[in-house]
Amino acid sequence: DAKTTQPNSMESNEEEPVHLPCNHSTISGTDYIHWYRQLPSQGPEYVIHGLTSNVNNRMASLAIAEDRKSSTLILHRATLRDAAVYYCILETSGSRLTFGEGTQLTVNP
Amino acid sequence: GAVVSQHPSRVICKSGTSVKIECRSLDFQATTMFWYRQFPKQSLMLMATSNEGSKATYEQGVEKDKFLINHASLTLSTLTVTSAHPEDSSFYICSARSTSGGASEQYFGPGTRLTVT
Repeated sequence: DAKTTQPNSMESNEEEPVHLPCNHSTISGTDYIHWYRQLPSQGPEYVIHGLTSNVNNRMASLAIAEDRKSSTLILHRATLRDAAVYYCILETSGSRLTFGEGTQLTVNP
Repeated sequence: GAVVSQHPSRVICKSGTSVKIECRSLDFQATTMFWYRQFPKQSLMLMATSNEGSKATYEQGVEKDKFLINHASLTLSTLTVTSAHPEDSSFYICSARSTSGGASEQYFGPGTRLTVT
């Protein structure tokens, strides 16, 4: 499975934008980029996914580099409820998702 | 979004006994469900992929005779931990696949905390 690299942790202030980076230099042409987040003692929650073009939904935006070797999850206005571990995952064979260590996002009031 | 439930949310069992965990997709049909395990302060590890009406596909290192998976309908998959031991204590999470175009979103259950004493 293609691997992703994310910072272990990031901090943000409430109501400020957050940019969570992800490197995936070995991505193949058919791999989708998925983002999930997980709060403590809960199952992961789907955030967003994309292939080549930037994507927006009610939760976040996904900016994908032109060469697709990196992407950035953008939370436009962080809230305390956005504090979670964010996972950047490449969907390779079928729907199999391989979780890395993710980025622990701390949101300061 | 789609809803996936798990039951029970928390279970404590004695060493040597078996425990069954249910995973249900409540508002959509899931041809494929996945089972993950998560130890404290670690990431999720995929255990197996479950397709409705066929045998599950297990990840390397996961004992299929110990972790029995049944996916008898499009809305229900079960994971049975047989002869559980304390090292099986973990957070078990299922997910169900919803297809959207060429990609797929997975919807995760809330997890089941298993403690084996």
